Order: sequence, then C-alpha cells, then structure tokens
Amino acid sequence: DGGITQSPKYLFRKEGQNVTLSCEQNLNHDAMYWYRQDPGQGLRLIYYSQIVNDFQKGDIAEGYSVSREKKESFPLTVTSAQKNPTAFYLCASSSEFYGYTFGSGTRLTVV
Amino acid sequence: AQSVTQPDIHITVSEGASLELRCNYSYGATPYLFWYVQSPGQGLQLLLKYFSGDTLVQGIKGFEAEFKRSQSSFNLRKPSVHWSDAAEYFCAVVTGTASKLTFGTGTRLQVTL
Repeated sequence: DGGITQSPKYLFRKEGQNVTLSCEQNLNHDAMYWYRQDPGQGLRLIYYSQIVNDFQKGDIAEGYSVSREKKESFPLTVTSAQKNPTAFYLCASSSEFYGYTFGSGTRLTVV
Repeated sequence: AQSVTQPDIHITVSEGASLELRCNYSYGATPYLFWYVQSPGQGLQLLLKYFSGDTLVQGIKGFEAEFKRSQSSFNLRKPSVHWSDAAEYFCAVVTGTASKLTFGTGTRLQVTL
C-alpha cells in the first residue's frame, strides 16, 4: 500500500547533538513537508519541498535543516541550534491540491 | 496573512448527541479547506475537503462540513457521535502556490458514555 513512513517513532536527543528524522513516501508525490506539533499550538510548518533538489523555509525553520536528493525521501535534521526541540514531528506529502497524506510521526525528546 | 481559527479548544459531548466543531478562516481568494482528525500519538487522517462546487461536503466516518463564504466558516458536523470519535480535530486551509497547509490550533473532542 502507498503511504508515508516516518522513523523512528521515538527519538531521544542529548544536549548539543544533531539528530535526523527519516521520511519516505511511495505515493509518487512531488511535494513534501515537515511540521512540528506542540500542545495547544496546532501544526507549524518547518520546511517544504516541491521538487527534488529544492526546498524552502517554512514558518519555524531556525535550528532545522533538510535535503531532497530523491523524490521519495525528505529527511529532517534537528540541529543543536534548535533550543527547544522536544515536540511531535509530522511529515506529509501532497500531489497538486488533493489533500495531504501524513506519516505517523516521530516524537523527539531532549534528555 | 492567511489564518485559521478554531475557537473551541475542548468540547465534551455525550455519545449519540450531535456535534459541531467551528472553523473560521482568513484568506483573500477562494480557499481550499480541509478537516483532519488525529488520535493520540498518531498522524493526521483526512476527514473531508472542499475545493469548489457544492458547499455541503460529505466525508468519512459520517462527518460533513458546510462552507459558508459570507461567514468565512467551514464547520464540521456529525449527527450522532460515537465514543470512537474522541480525538483532536484540525481545520486547515491551503495557502499560496506551494500548496502549504495552514492549520488551526485544534479542538479536542471528548465523548462521554
């Protein structure tokens, strides 16, 4: 079945450490997105990519980086510059305007 | 700037009662509107979407939503709530040419038996 796979489901980061969240889709969607979810704040856009080898900052890109080397993959790196990384991270993909498909999320915790 | 407002943070209804979740948007052009549902620790599932045409949209799980341009609203309704409907519900609007979704802050639905 087509869908989006996010891994790992749970991730723990030490202070000063970079971590990378994986997002893979087999829907042949052109566009992919990363959202951050915090309680009471809904979902906020971190980065998005409409085509391979191109991506744009969203509303809260500081402390994050992405790459889009393949259509299927859009990994997110949470760098040490992100001072409050504890959150639930959701990856999504879309084709034209026909709705988004979301992954099941990665919960990142700073220890 | 485009925005989505869900004025109710938390709603409690009894099983079998009707439900209406409110959503107001601010967007200059004709909006593309969505409702998503999220169970705890899970991703988001699309309930329904509105692009154009009939302003009453039917979705999955017995949900429907009505687009009212004059009120800038896209409220979600269900005639009879089931205990399994307890979840968080998000209204969203596509903004700009990059198909970016802007979300409301969500409404948490609790269902009492």
